[in-house]
Amino acid sequence: DAGVIQSPRHEVTEMGQEVTLRCKPISGHDYLFWYRQTMMRGLELLIYFNNNVPIDDSGMPEDRFSAKMPNASFSTLKIQPSEPRDSAVYFCATYRGMNTEAFFGQGTRLTVV
Amino acid sequence: GQQVMQIPQYQHVQEGEDFTTYCNSSTTLSNIQWYKQRPGGHPVFLIQLVKSGEVKKQKRLTFQFGEAKKNSSLHITATQTTDVGTYFCAGPSGTYKYIFGTGTRLKVLA
Repeated sequence: DAGVIQSPRHEVTEMGQEVTLRCKPISGHDYLFWYRQTMMRGLELLIYFNNNVPIDDSGMPEDRFSAKMPNASFSTLKIQPSEPRDSAVYFCATYRGMNTEAFFGQGTRLTVV
Repeated sequence: GQQVMQIPQYQHVQEGEDFTTYCNSSTTLSNIQWYKQRPGGHPVFLIQLVKSGEVKKQKRLTFQFGEAKKNSSLHITATQTTDVGTYFCAGPSGTYKYIFGTGTRLKVLA
């Protein structure tokens, strides 16, 4: 298995533009998490899914952020409109089940100018 | 809400010196995980501790889970330049999610 695959690896966009981050989980992993990492706030959990269903989105900063998981092989995190304070590294991570280890993707480094 | 704090935030050591990072949770944990993130990389799982007072070793790394299951530590003996990175602990919270600690960034000076 190739692991968790995220795309793009780097994204530079202008303020106000829509940004879509993508994640392909490891096959058979029932849990998918989206994290945001910044120097100031560390690793923040944004939202997680279990069997493609959003379970907890309490970490999503505001309505500009949305996430979907249309099937077991794909998830997206969308920011519309983007703002400079959204600049961060966004990680997707998957778990096979409860109390198992997390497998992180390589991350998407987002810069909003 | 649940908080997981780590100290120190940063640590610079001379190669060959030992290093310890401490993780403290505001609530009792059923288990705790440790991850390492190399500069520019992504967090990679190191180990999971489950039992009260548990101690596990991985070569030069020693992990401990506190008796009260609210704290944990990672100790590295004789650090090497390959140990550079940020070390995170993570504990389960609520229905099913892991809260990551604030991390300890280790720099090893050759």
